Amino acid sequence: AQSVTQLDSQVPVFEEAPVELRCNYSSSVSVYLFWYVQYPNQGLQLLLKYLSGSTLVKGINGFEAEFNKSQTSFHLRKPSVHISDTAEYFCAVSGYSTLTFGKGTMLLVSP
Amino acid sequence: EAQVTQNPRYLITVTGKKLTVTCSQNMNHEYMSWYRQDPGLGLRQIYYSMNVEVTDKGDVPEGYKVSRKEKRNFPLILESPSPNQTSLYFCASSPDSGANVLTFGAGSRLTVL
Repeated sequence: AQSVTQLDSQVPVFEEAPVELRCNYSSSVSVYLFWYVQYPNQGLQLLLKYLSGSTLVKGINGFEAEFNKSQTSFHLRKPSVHISDTAEYFCAVSGYSTLTFGKGTMLLVSP
Repeated sequence: EAQVTQNPRYLITVTGKKLTVTCSQNMNHEYMSWYRQDPGLGLRQIYYSMNVEVTDKGDVPEGYKVSRKEKRNFPLILESPSPNQTSLYFCASSPDSGANVLTFGAGSRLTVL
């Protein structure tokens, strides 16, 4: 069984500030981890993924995430956010046949 | 263009009236899945299919049926919709049988009165 906990349901930040969206997971099998982004009124799209190798993963739009096995975390970060980053972000963990999502974190960027 | 296409995008129906939400992908993907998205609950998997004629239940399969007669299509069937099935539904597909990088459709917003 696997599960994902996104620790914040909403994160408000000002434009150009750094941001971290937190994600913790549990899984009884090998871990594949993902962050997906959902812009208003759209479907989900892949932001970045960790399958193996380097624990620091870089994704699109300047986002990156770090896999920490000992803390079972996969936090998402961006050093400077833009208004256009306003969206809902979902952390997900993959098992053999299913992808389990967290409940999402709404990132609200204001000027 | 590689994509997952869902129809209808919006639908209002009444309790008990059977409906089908179609899903089609043009990427020759083996794996397909349906999710529902509800506020505060994130995405929950309804059913998935690892290949043609192979389907399995996800976390919330009650009240839904699926079929996978062709590789490209994976319709979601609500035999007797109820108001608690009012939700935003997403179809997704992936190249292999593992649930790795998913390509999502644009979503189907269903309201059951």
